[in-house]
Amino acid sequence: DIQMTQSPSSLSASVGDRVTITCRASQGIRNDLGWYQQKPGKAPKRLLYAASSLQSGVPSRFSGSGSGTEFTLTISSLQPEDFATYYCLQHNSYPRTFGQGTKVEIK
Amino acid sequence: QVQLQESGPGLVKPSETLSLTCTVSGGSIRSYYWSWIRQPPGKGLEWIGYIYYTGSTDYNPSLKSRVTISIDTSKNQFSLKLSSVTAADTAVYYCASGTYWGSDDFWGQGTLVTVSP
Repeated sequence: DIQMTQSPSSLSASVGDRVTITCRASQGIRNDLGWYQQKPGKAPKRLLYAASSLQSGVPSRFSGSGSGTEFTLTISSLQPEDFATYYCLQHNSYPRTFGQGTKVEIK
Repeated sequence: QVQLQESGPGLVKPSETLSLTCTVSGGSIRSYYWSWIRQPPGKGLEWIGYIYYTGSTDYNPSLKSRVTISIDTSKNQFSLKLSSVTAADTAVYYCASGTYWGSDDFWGQGTLVTVSP
């Protein structure tokens, strides 16, 4: 199985901050990666696919980069509605695997 | 817009079989791959497996001996069966689209299944 290691596991930030979350794959996955946001009691919502393509309707403050084994999700200016848990998901091989999640909390 | 809705018992006894169905509306079940994903309370997401309308499947090896995913194209539904459940299988179970390389992404609201005597 491909292991997805996400860091940090949690972070505290203020509204307006720039936030970066990293996902590292245990082997190369090209750009077969998506980023998801999950709020308490809700289903995950995909923000980005193919590592850097913005899902329709997702604000442009979200961006993604990377290929191979290192990937980054960046929120350019954190908004109140962005406080949530974020997950990466690789779909390069089976089984699909998620990162362990990054909880973004209010400082 | 495609919508997904999970249905099934919210309580299952240990050693029995968990059965859930996902109904796809607003689109054809033949258009996408479909997956099941679960999330134990307070924990992260775990991919269970996928199915395509042809019947092609793949499962997480950690669950493979206990999981069956099936599809009924006439009803626009796909289903999950997980046998010999224990308390560790208590989780919110989500059905979702599984065509991750495409621009579409659909999820059900999730359903909590508790394994308890």
